[in-house]
Amino acid sequence: GESVGLHLPTLSVQEGDNSIINCAYSNSASDYFIWYKQESGKGPQFIIDIRSNMDKRQGQRVTVLLNKTVKHLSLQIAATQPGDSAVYFCAENIQGTYKYIFGTGTRLKVLA
Amino acid sequence: GAVVSQHPSRVICKSGTSVKIECRSLDFQATTMFWYRQFPKQSLMLMATSNEGSKATYEQGVEKDKFLINHASLTLSTLTVTSAHPEDSSFYICSAIKRGSPSYEQYFGPGTRLTVT
Repeated sequence: GESVGLHLPTLSVQEGDNSIINCAYSNSASDYFIWYKQESGKGPQFIIDIRSNMDKRQGQRVTVLLNKTVKHLSLQIAATQPGDSAVYFCAENIQGTYKYIFGTGTRLKVLA
Repeated sequence: GAVVSQHPSRVICKSGTSVKIECRSLDFQATTMFWYRQFPKQSLMLMATSNEGSKATYEQGVEKDKFLINHASLTLSTLTVTSAHPEDSSFYICSAIKRGSPSYEQYFGPGTRLTVT
């Protein structure tokens, strides 16, 4: 299930199940979106990206969906594995700049 | 590949001292680098944008005299935390954009953990 407390929201899933991590972005002018995975004490690791002229993009075991109408982004991970346990951040790139704005993040816990 | 390194990975310093963190693009040239700060269990917050050969652009609320940024070459940017205090303890992460890249993809370093005692 998903819980929101004083810290990062946490999504707990059983190993082998699919995970869906959601993100609401802030700026309707953003035209490039990226999902990152961050393990404890490490820098962000690129997972997948999508441009605003697309609504879906698939990678290996991951899919990103973009709904520009409601400014919503999701990351789907198929057959979640223990190695997927980490914090996941979405980032939006503001059109015309190189800047990224990061979302608040979601901790994914994979239960054996 | 596009590898970004940071040095040191961890540093402990005493309150009132200054500490320098290096960010290097190892296999590409980077005209633009970024510095982020991340407090425990929080997201990455952009501190400043560093352009080679020019002054850095700081985000609102970030003190430019406290966080000195130098981008002296196409492969190196440094962040100096001056007169550090315990509240400056954080995880500092840099990223870089490849020179001439048509995309806005940023390549991130592994981060530097700063602890001010």
